[in-house]
Amino acid sequence: KAGVTQTPRYLIKTRGQQVTLSCSPISGHRSVSWYQQTPGQGLQFLFEYFSETQRNKGNFPGRFSGRQFSNSRSEMNVSTLELGDSALYLCASSRGLAGLTGELFFGEGSRLTVL
Amino acid sequence: DAKTTQPPSMDCAEGRAANLPCNHSTISGNEYVYWYRQIHSQGPQYIIHGLKNNETNEMASLIITEDRKSSTLILPHATLRDTAVYYCIVRLGGTDSWGKLQFGAGTQVVVTP
Repeated sequence: KAGVTQTPRYLIKTRGQQVTLSCSPISGHRSVSWYQQTPGQGLQFLFEYFSETQRNKGNFPGRFSGRQFSNSRSEMNVSTLELGDSALYLCASSRGLAGLTGELFFGEGSRLTVL
Repeated sequence: DAKTTQPPSMDCAEGRAANLPCNHSTISGNEYVYWYRQIHSQGPQYIIHGLKNNETNEMASLIITEDRKSSTLILPHATLRDTAVYYCIVRLGGTDSWGKLQFGAGTQVVVTP
Protein backbone atom coordinates (compact mmCIF):
# COMPACT_ATOMS: atom_id res chain seq x y z
CA LYS A 1 0.00 0.00 0.00
CA ALA A 2 1.06 3.59 -0.52
CA GLY A 3 3.26 5.13 2.13
CA VAL A 4 3.17 8.54 3.70
CA THR A 5 3.34 11.23 1.04
CA GLN A 6 4.73 14.68 1.68
CA THR A 7 4.65 17.64 -0.66
CA PRO A 8 6.54 19.57 -1.73
CA ARG A 9 9.81 17.69 -1.34
CA TYR A 10 11.96 20.78 -1.64
CA LEU A 11 11.23 24.46 -1.37
CA ILE A 12 13.06 27.73 -0.94
CA LYS A 13 11.57 30.73 0.82
CA THR A 14 12.83 34.06 2.07
CA ARG A 15 12.67 35.47 5.56
CA GLY A 16 9.27 36.79 6.50
CA GLN A 17 7.35 34.60 4.10
CA GLN A 18 5.05 31.81 5.13
CA VAL A 19 4.97 28.20 3.99
CA THR A 20 2.45 25.37 3.97
CA LEU A 21 3.50 21.73 3.87
CA SER A 22 1.19 18.84 3.14
CA CYS A 23 1.09 15.26 4.35
CA SER A 24 -1.09 12.39 3.20
CA PRO A 25 -1.00 9.50 5.69
CA ILE A 26 -1.23 5.82 4.94
CA SER A 27 -4.79 4.82 4.16
CA GLY A 28 -6.63 3.98 7.34
CA HIS A 29 -4.23 5.85 9.60
CA ARG A 30 -5.90 8.55 11.65
CA SER A 31 -2.93 10.00 13.50
CA VAL A 32 -0.49 12.38 11.85
CA SER A 33 2.55 13.80 13.58
CA TRP A 34 5.07 16.38 12.46
CA TYR A 35 8.75 16.61 13.27
CA GLN A 36 11.48 19.09 12.50
CA GLN A 37 14.99 17.82 11.88
CA THR A 38 18.05 20.04 11.89
CA PRO A 39 21.74 19.14 12.19
CA GLY A 40 22.03 20.95 15.51
CA GLN A 41 18.82 19.89 17.27
CA GLY A 42 18.11 16.53 15.66
CA LEU A 43 14.54 15.28 15.40
CA GLN A 44 12.11 17.39 17.39
CA PHE A 45 8.39 16.80 17.79
CA LEU A 46 6.14 19.60 16.54
CA PHE A 47 2.57 18.37 17.01
CA GLU A 48 0.22 15.47 16.53
CA TYR A 49 -3.30 15.36 15.14
CA PHE A 50 -5.90 12.68 15.56
CA SER A 51 -9.41 12.88 14.17
CA GLU A 52 -8.90 16.54 13.23
CA THR A 53 -7.90 17.46 16.80
CA GLN A 54 -4.47 18.46 18.00
CA ARG A 55 -3.52 15.92 20.66
CA ASN A 56 0.04 16.90 21.51
CA LYS A 57 2.25 19.87 20.90
CA GLY A 58 5.99 20.29 21.16
CA ASN A 59 7.94 23.33 22.28
CA PHE A 60 7.74 25.47 19.19
CA PRO A 61 6.54 29.06 18.86
CA GLY A 62 3.05 29.91 17.69
CA ARG A 63 4.39 30.59 14.19
CA PHE A 64 4.19 26.83 13.71
CA SER A 65 0.67 25.58 13.28
CA GLY A 66 -1.12 22.67 11.73
CA ARG A 67 -4.45 21.15 10.99
CA GLN A 68 -5.97 17.87 9.93
CA PHE A 69 -8.81 17.31 7.56
CA SER A 70 -11.63 14.77 7.72
CA ASN A 71 -9.76 12.46 5.34
CA SER A 72 -6.79 12.50 7.79
CA ARG A 73 -4.59 14.53 5.47
CA SER A 74 -2.65 17.15 7.36
CA GLU A 75 -0.99 20.45 6.68
CA MET A 76 1.48 22.42 8.70
CA ASN A 77 2.12 26.12 8.30
CA VAL A 78 5.05 28.24 9.34
CA SER A 79 4.52 31.98 9.26
CA THR A 80 7.07 34.79 9.32
CA LEU A 81 9.89 32.46 8.35
CA GLU A 82 13.27 32.82 10.01
CA LEU A 83 16.63 31.52 8.86
CA GLY A 84 16.56 28.99 11.70
CA ASP A 85 13.44 27.40 10.27
CA SER A 86 15.53 25.82 7.54
CA ALA A 87 15.12 22.13 8.17
CA LEU A 88 13.75 18.82 7.02
CA TYR A 89 10.10 18.59 8.06
CA LEU A 90 8.92 15.04 8.52
CA CYS A 91 5.41 13.76 8.74
CA ALA A 92 4.52 10.42 10.30
CA SER A 93 1.29 8.51 10.48
CA SER A 94 -0.03 5.71 12.67
CA ARG A 95 -3.29 3.98 13.31
CA GLY A 96 -3.46 6.03 16.48
CA LEU A 97 -5.57 3.70 18.59
CA ALA A 98 -4.62 2.78 22.13
CA GLY A 99 -3.20 -0.68 22.63
CA LEU A 100 -1.85 -1.09 19.14
CA THR A 101 1.81 -1.29 18.29
CA GLY A 102 2.38 2.41 17.99
CA GLU A 103 4.82 2.17 15.14
CA LEU A 104 5.12 5.36 13.18
CA PHE A 105 5.48 5.44 9.42
CA PHE A 106 7.45 8.43 8.21
CA GLY A 107 7.38 10.20 4.89
CA GLU A 108 10.45 11.31 2.98
CA GLY A 109 10.14 14.83 4.30
CA SER A 110 9.93 18.35 2.94
CA ARG A 111 13.24 20.16 2.91
CA LEU A 112 12.75 23.85 3.55
CA THR A 113 15.50 26.38 2.93
CA VAL A 114 14.98 29.93 4.18
CA LEU A 115 17.18 32.58 2.62
CA ASP B 1 9.28 9.01 29.00
CA ALA B 2 12.60 7.54 30.10
CA LYS B 3 15.77 8.75 28.43
CA THR B 4 18.18 6.51 26.58
CA THR B 5 21.94 6.41 26.11
CA GLN B 6 23.57 5.07 22.97
CA PRO B 7 27.15 5.10 21.68
CA PRO B 8 27.57 7.85 19.07
CA SER B 9 28.99 5.56 16.41
CA MET B 10 30.06 2.05 15.55
CA ASP B 11 31.43 0.18 12.57
CA CYS B 12 30.42 -3.23 11.37
CA ALA B 13 31.79 -5.51 8.67
CA GLU B 14 29.41 -6.54 5.94
CA GLY B 15 27.93 -9.98 6.59
CA ARG B 16 28.65 -9.88 10.29
CA ALA B 17 26.14 -9.32 13.06
CA ALA B 18 25.79 -5.77 14.35
CA ASN B 19 24.97 -5.45 18.04
CA LEU B 20 23.70 -2.01 19.00
CA PRO B 21 23.47 -1.32 22.74
CA CYS B 22 21.07 1.03 24.49
CA ASN B 23 20.86 1.96 28.16
CA HIS B 24 17.53 3.00 29.65
CA SER B 25 18.16 2.65 33.38
CA THR B 26 15.15 4.80 34.37
CA ILE B 27 12.62 2.82 32.37
CA SER B 28 9.35 2.13 34.14
CA GLY B 29 7.24 -1.01 34.03
CA ASN B 30 4.84 0.07 31.32
CA GLU B 31 7.33 1.68 28.97
CA TYR B 32 8.21 0.02 25.69
CA VAL B 33 11.57 0.03 23.92
CA TYR B 34 11.39 1.07 20.28
CA TRP B 35 14.09 1.08 17.62
CA TYR B 36 14.03 3.21 14.49
CA ARG B 37 16.68 3.89 11.91
CA GLN B 38 17.23 6.75 9.51
CA ILE B 39 19.12 6.30 6.30
CA HIS B 40 20.66 9.50 5.04
CA SER B 41 18.09 12.01 3.73
CA GLN B 42 15.17 9.67 4.32
CA GLY B 43 12.49 9.58 6.99
CA PRO B 44 13.03 7.31 10.02
CA GLN B 45 11.99 3.69 9.59
CA TYR B 46 10.46 1.55 12.31
CA ILE B 47 12.50 -1.56 13.09
CA ILE B 48 11.16 -3.32 16.16
CA HIS B 49 9.81 -2.80 19.65
CA GLY B 50 9.37 -4.77 22.86
CA LEU B 51 8.30 -4.60 26.48
CA LYS B 52 9.90 -7.47 28.40
CA ASN B 53 10.44 -10.41 26.12
CA ASN B 54 12.97 -10.67 23.34
CA GLU B 55 11.50 -9.96 19.95
CA THR B 56 12.47 -10.91 16.41
CA ASN B 57 11.17 -9.88 13.04
CA GLU B 58 12.44 -9.95 9.49
CA MET B 59 14.72 -7.00 10.09
CA ALA B 60 16.26 -7.53 13.50
CA SER B 61 16.16 -9.01 16.97
CA LEU B 62 15.67 -7.10 20.19
CA ILE B 63 17.17 -8.43 23.38
CA ILE B 64 15.97 -6.78 26.60
CA THR B 65 17.76 -7.54 29.86
CA GLU B 66 15.78 -9.06 32.69
CA ASP B 67 15.86 -5.83 34.71
CA ARG B 68 14.88 -3.94 31.52
CA LYS B 69 17.57 -1.32 32.11
CA SER B 70 19.27 -1.99 28.81
CA SER B 71 18.64 -3.60 25.46
CA THR B 72 20.51 -4.65 22.33
CA LEU B 73 19.37 -4.44 18.76
CA ILE B 74 20.88 -7.16 16.63
CA LEU B 75 21.14 -6.95 12.86
CA PRO B 76 22.03 -10.56 12.09
CA HIS B 77 23.81 -10.11 8.76
CA ALA B 78 24.65 -6.47 8.18
CA THR B 79 24.64 -5.18 4.62
CA LEU B 80 25.85 -1.89 3.20
CA ARG B 81 22.21 -0.76 3.09
CA ASP B 82 22.08 -1.00 6.89
CA THR B 83 24.36 2.04 7.15
CA ALA B 84 22.17 4.51 9.03
CA VAL B 85 21.57 6.30 12.31
CA TYR B 86 19.82 3.98 14.75
CA TYR B 87 17.58 5.43 17.44
CA CYS B 88 16.58 3.69 20.66
CA ILE B 89 13.43 5.22 22.15
CA VAL B 90 11.50 4.45 25.31
CA ARG B 91 7.88 5.41 25.58
CA LEU B 92 4.69 4.66 27.39
CA GLY B 93 2.34 2.05 26.08
CA GLY B 94 -1.44 2.04 26.25
CA THR B 95 -1.81 5.62 25.19
CA ASP B 96 -3.85 7.02 22.37
CA SER B 97 -1.03 9.37 21.51
CA TRP B 98 1.44 7.45 19.43
CA GLY B 99 2.90 10.35 17.54
CA LYS B 100 5.13 11.92 20.12
CA LEU B 101 8.52 10.25 20.21
CA GLN B 102 11.62 11.66 21.85
CA PHE B 103 14.55 10.99 19.55
CA GLY B 104 18.06 11.25 20.94
CA ALA B 105 21.25 11.53 18.94
CA GLY B 106 21.24 7.83 18.04
CA THR B 107 24.12 5.63 16.91
CA GLN B 108 25.67 6.18 13.50
CA VAL B 109 26.32 2.69 12.15
CA VAL B 110 28.66 2.32 9.20
CA VAL B 111 28.78 -1.06 7.50
CA THR B 112 32.00 -1.58 5.60
CA PRO B 113 32.74 -4.06 2.79
